[in-house]
Amino acid sequence: DTAVSQTPKYLVTQMGNDKSIKCEQNLGHDTMYWYKQDSKKFLKIMFSYNNKELIINETVPNRFSPKSPDKAHLNLHINSLELGDSAVYFCASSQLDGGFNTEAFFGQGTRLTVV
Amino acid sequence: GQQLNQSPQSMFIQEGEDVSMNCTSSSIFNTWLWYKQDPGEGPVLLIALYKAGELTSNGRLTAQFGITRKDSFLNISASIPSDVGIYFCAGQLYSNYQLIWGAGTKLIIKP
Repeated sequence: DTAVSQTPKYLVTQMGNDKSIKCEQNLGHDTMYWYKQDSKKFLKIMFSYNNKELIINETVPNRFSPKSPDKAHLNLHINSLELGDSAVYFCASSQLDGGFNTEAFFGQGTRLTVV
Repeated sequence: GQQLNQSPQSMFIQEGEDVSMNCTSSSIFNTWLWYKQDPGEGPVLLIALYKAGELTSNGRLTAQFGITRKDSFLNISASIPSDVGIYFCAGQLYSNYQLIWGAGTKLIIKP
């Protein structure tokens, strides 16, 4: 069984569209993340949620809106897509244990291409 | 945001050679993690380090948590073709527990 699963794996869409990427983890973790990996392969954290509450919100355009309906899910909605949004987006989860984050487990990524 | 200094950025090596990469920072960390990313996949954890000075092995991989708590290295001995990929370090900051990432080391093995 996949620990962290995100869908879709590939997403090609036109500029200006609105799209969502879904993420689910079955590890019982209380913290979930969204990362963006650009063409240079640098991993940049976008958001972090702990128990459905936003705890990290890096400098990300407000066109990006995460939604966490429950601890096991963290979806990413993107409005008015731009060419520069093309990247691979990774969902991850970890457990906050006595203030320490255990190692993060990653999904397979969603390759978003905006044309 | 903060970033770890990971080097080298890329490595071209012959099969069978040993590999060494490291991450440094001016900040103090309470956890160091080393991940590997294969093409088209998400990063997968290789080794986790939790104590200063800790030296941990995972098969041909060995990683150490620097004694100053500001750095870590990863060594791969006798590289094989399936070692190709991008290796990332990640450290959890002592100050606020935030996990920050290195830029990655791309390992390429020459035929």
